[in-house]
Amino acid sequence: AQSVTQLGSHVSVSEGALVLLRCNYSSSVPPYLFWYVQYPNQGLQLLLKYTTGATLVKGINGFEAEFKKSETSFHLTKPSAHMSDAAEYFCAVSEDSNYQLIWGAGTKLIIKP
Amino acid sequence: NAGVMQNPRHLVRRRGQEARLRCSPMKGHSHVYWYRQLPEEGLKFMVYLQKENIIDESGMPKERFSAEFPKEGPSILRIQQVVRGDSAAYFCASSPSGGPGEQFFGPGTRLTVL
Repeated sequence: AQSVTQLGSHVSVSEGALVLLRCNYSSSVPPYLFWYVQYPNQGLQLLLKYTTGATLVKGINGFEAEFKKSETSFHLTKPSAHMSDAAEYFCAVSEDSNYQLIWGAGTKLIIKP
Repeated sequence: NAGVMQNPRHLVRRRGQEARLRCSPMKGHSHVYWYRQLPEEGLKFMVYLQKENIIDESGMPKERFSAEFPKEGPSILRIQQVVRGDSAAYFCASSPSGGPGEQFFGPGTRLTVL
């Protein structure tokens, strides 16, 4: 069965520092991988996705993620954190033949001034 | 092009009442998904519908919960005889096709059961 693990329910970084949010998945077939962001009391917005092709995926707001099959990982990074990045981030996976998204528990990103 | 719309945004019900949540998908999208988010948890799939059809309701509790997506009008998630454990955020998403890929999310309905 598919599962998604996000390491760290809360991650705190200083403004201007590197952001690294970790996501590992289990899947028996090539996955589709997603990162969504949720601002307080709002819905989820797609940051980026990996389906096929280039393993380094660039998304909105300066975020990017790299699909590493050997490590079953899809970590999210941003070189320099902004205060506006404070939100909760969710990693999700679906198998290439399935519409169901399986979600991680989320990581709250806290930006320190 | 308007996004996915959900109403109400906040809903307060007393135990035993009915909660009715509405979702209007994006224009051109005929596939709707409902998710539930409990505090401090990720989203859990509940049900997937196309117009007039329930495709997959494997994530929905067998009792008290039902969903529909009529030919005309929004998709409705209905919870009968609500209990405190139903308090959660309910999100609707839509997509143009049923395959894997991006789902577009509404702002959610936050249900509080007193």
